[in-house]
Amino acid sequence: RKEVEQDPGPFNVPEGATVAFNCTYSNSASQSFFWYRQDCRKEPKLLMSVYSSGNEDGRFTAQLNRASQYISLLIRDSKLSDSATYLCVVNSKAAGNKLTFGGGTRVLVKP
Amino acid sequence: ETGVTQTPRHLVMGMTNKKSLKCEQHLGHNAMYWYKQSAKKPLELMFVYSLEERVENNSVPSRFSPECPNSSHLFLHLHTLQPEDSALYLCASSQDPQGAIYNEQFFGPGTRLTVL
Repeated sequence: RKEVEQDPGPFNVPEGATVAFNCTYSNSASQSFFWYRQDCRKEPKLLMSVYSSGNEDGRFTAQLNRASQYISLLIRDSKLSDSATYLCVVNSKAAGNKLTFGGGTRVLVKP
Repeated sequence: ETGVTQTPRHLVMGMTNKKSLKCEQHLGHNAMYWYKQSAKKPLELMFVYSLEERVENNSVPSRFSPECPNSSHLFLHLHTLQPEDSALYLCASSQDPQGAIYNEQFFGPGTRLTVL
């Protein structure tokens, strides 16, 4: 089983719609969780950290479910500029305090 | 404007060449990383330097040789590469507070390497 697993997509989303996708992780000792965004042929950039209570940043909402070992990202009122690959990232101190990246979920927002 | 720069941005080399990738971070961080990103695969961590000491080497072939002369600079020396080494090589940095678990990383733009 992969350490961090994501549906590769693509998720084809009409502009203005809501899209949500999950990421599962295998290490129950994982302690920090992040969503990174990577545009085509660009470097990954931090989108948001994911806190235990869930958190929201504008149109983006991240949730953590420790019992089922997954995190989710929801994008409301999708914009064309939201088209990107969203990388789920998990940190485990037990694993040497390093980040483990998922393969990414590709989102395509269309007019 | 990213705080992490990488040069060159593109590199084409033959299998017998020797080349080096350079990374510089202007963020005052104390940890630096090399990642490899191949098509349709997750980022693969290659090397980690914390406080200028190599703390991780993920079974990377010896044809890749990292060097960290100070906390702001990181090099990846390449020698006798194979075509399957063609990929995007990303450098990242972070502030590595001892004993803490938060570890946001800032990435450079990457070097797109093609091995002929």
